[in-house]
Amino acid sequence: EIVLTQSPATLSLSPGERATLSCGASQSVSRNYLAWYQQKPGLPPRVLIYDASNRATGIPDRFSGSGSGTDFILTISRLEPEDFAVYYCHQYGGSPSFGQGTKLEIK
Amino acid sequence: QVQLVQSGAEVKKPGSSVKVSCRASKDTFINYAISWLRQAPGQGLEWMGGIIPIFGTTNYAQKFQGRATITADESTTTAYMELSSLKSEDTAVYYCAREADPAIAVAGTYYFDWWGQGTLVTVST
Repeated sequence: EIVLTQSPATLSLSPGERATLSCGASQSVSRNYLAWYQQKPGLPPRVLIYDASNRATGIPDRFSGSGSGTDFILTISRLEPEDFAVYYCHQYGGSPSFGQGTKLEIK
Repeated sequence: QVQLVQSGAEVKKPGSSVKVSCRASKDTFINYAISWLRQAPGQGLEWMGGIIPIFGTTNYAQKFQGRATITADESTTTAYMELSSLKSEDTAVYYCAREADPAIAVAGTYYFDWWGQGTLVTVST
């Protein structure tokens, strides 16, 4: 099974700042089949990015994904108040696995 | 409109079983794979397995092989996940989710674009 490690565990930033979240894989993710999700308390996750760099339908362009192989990044260019949440990466190139999450909190 | 509507919260005793349902819109049931995932309190997400409902073909995470059973009923466009031999560590919110590609042949091989609202299963004496 591919183990995904997200960093940092918690990121404290202010609205308007840029957020960079990392996801490292224990082995190369086939076809860069990696997605990013946002989750708010009491709600299911919402997909933001799929196939490492494609924005899902309806996702604002301040969200972008990059990376390949074993290293992937989610960037939020200018944080809005509604962006403070927990973010998960998910690889589906092999048996699906998720990172442990990064909590993005207001500084 | 895509819909995944799950059954309500459950409280179960250790050693018993639970069966959670996920009623899907017709298009989703016919054309897409549906997976089951869970999230323990304050923890991350864990994929359990999935099904291609129209064919009934399933794929399970190794951890849940033999303990989870995923089925689908075409007459009600509902998918089910039954988990047996429950332990306190199975306390979690259980989600069904649609895989985004209608052409996949094996569940668990794409990302999830729609999710059910979640079902809390509590295992306690």
